[in-house]
Amino acid sequence: DGGITQSPKYLFRKEGQNVTLSCEQNLNHDAMYWYRQDPGQGLRLIYYSQIVNDFQKGDIAEGYSVSREKKESFPLTVTSAQKNPTAFYLCASQPSRAADYNSPLHFGNGTRLTVT
Amino acid sequence: DAKTTQPNSMESNEEEPVHLPCNHSTISGTDYIHWYRQLPSQGPEYVIHGLTSNVNNRMASLAIAEDRKSSTLILHRATLRDAAVYYCIIKNAGNMLTFGGGTRLMVKP
Repeated sequence: DGGITQSPKYLFRKEGQNVTLSCEQNLNHDAMYWYRQDPGQGLRLIYYSQIVNDFQKGDIAEGYSVSREKKESFPLTVTSAQKNPTAFYLCASQPSRAADYNSPLHFGNGTRLTVT
Repeated sequence: DAKTTQPNSMESNEEEPVHLPCNHSTISGTDYIHWYRQLPSQGPEYVIHGLTSNVNNRMASLAIAEDRKSSTLILHRATLRDAAVYYCIIKNAGNMLTFGGGTRLMVKP
């Protein structure tokens, strides 16, 4: 079955360390997204990529970085510059944002990051 | 971008219909109405979307007001597995999906 895999499900880090969250999809989707969710809140867009080797900042990109070297992979690095990194991180993909902006987003089941 | 207003929470009894309202008074002519839901500790999942006409699929129905300033997501027979946060989102070619607070639906057995 096709889908999006985020790993690990839970991640613990010490303050000051960079950490990379994995997101892999086998849906052959062009567009991929990273969202952040804080307790009881909606989702906020961090970064998105519409095609390999290209990505754009979302609403809250500061303290985060991404890469898109392969179509199926869109890892997110939470750097030590992110002031409040503890959150639930969600990755999503979409067939092609440009071709059909109404096509549904497919989400992974998230990574819960705790930084102490 | 058009904003949406949803109740923070709603309660329903199992096996009864549920009507989840959404107001979007600033919607423009080419904006679509999307609904997603998020079960506890999971990523959101797509439910349904529409433009003007009412829409049905295996998960739910979407009723859109004639003036398009409001819409209602209808779950025909709520089950315990339908307990989730339901997001109403306005989408056009230029914007990203923006997930607000949504409506937390609680289903009582």
